[in-house]
Amino acid sequence: AQSVSQHNHHVILSEAASLELGCNYSYGGTVNLFWYVQYPGQHLQLLLKYFSGDPLVKGIKGFEAEFIKSKFSFNLRKPSVQWSDTAEYFCAVVDMRFGAGTRLTVKP
Amino acid sequence: DARVTQTPRHKVTEMGQEVTMRCQPILGHNTVFWYRQTMMQGLELLAYFRNRAPLDDSGMPKDRFSAEMPDATLATLKIQPSEPRDSAVYFCASGLWGRGSTDTQYFGPGTRLTVL
Repeated sequence: AQSVSQHNHHVILSEAASLELGCNYSYGGTVNLFWYVQYPGQHLQLLLKYFSGDPLVKGIKGFEAEFIKSKFSFNLRKPSVQWSDTAEYFCAVVDMRFGAGTRLTVKP
Repeated sequence: DARVTQTPRHKVTEMGQEVTMRCQPILGHNTVFWYRQTMMQGLELLAYFRNRAPLDDSGMPKDRFSAEMPDATLATLKIQPSEPRDSAVYFCASGLWGRGSTDTQYFGPGTRLTVL
């Protein structure tokens, strides 16, 4: 069965720090990968997605993710976080099963 | 600006009562998902439909939960009887799946259910 695991439950960073959130998947077929963000009190919004092609995917708000097939990973990155990035981040795979989520807190 | 709508936004009910949550997917989308979000379990996929047909409802407790799509503009999730452990936020999402589509979900605002 397909599964998604996110390593970090809660990440706390200061503004301007760099961010990397881990996501590993277990899936044998065609891989479509997604990162969603959920701001406090809001619904999930798509940050970025990978279907094929360039394994480095750029999304909204300065986020990017790299698909590394050999590591079954799709880690989310941002070079410099802002206080407004405080949210919960979810990784998802093709059949729309989500990881447990990583809560990001950015201290001003 | 097309959006997924869900009603009600908040529901407080007593244990044993029936609860019906409704979702209007974005017009033209052929796939509808139901998720439940809790602090303990995170975001769980309950069921999803494609072209109104249920494709997977393995995440849903069968004895008390049921999901239907009476037509292409309405999806319902029903709990009967409700229990306190059902308290959660229930999200509906829709998307367009298939050749040439985006395979991306658009989420509704959720229904916050509290069962006393």
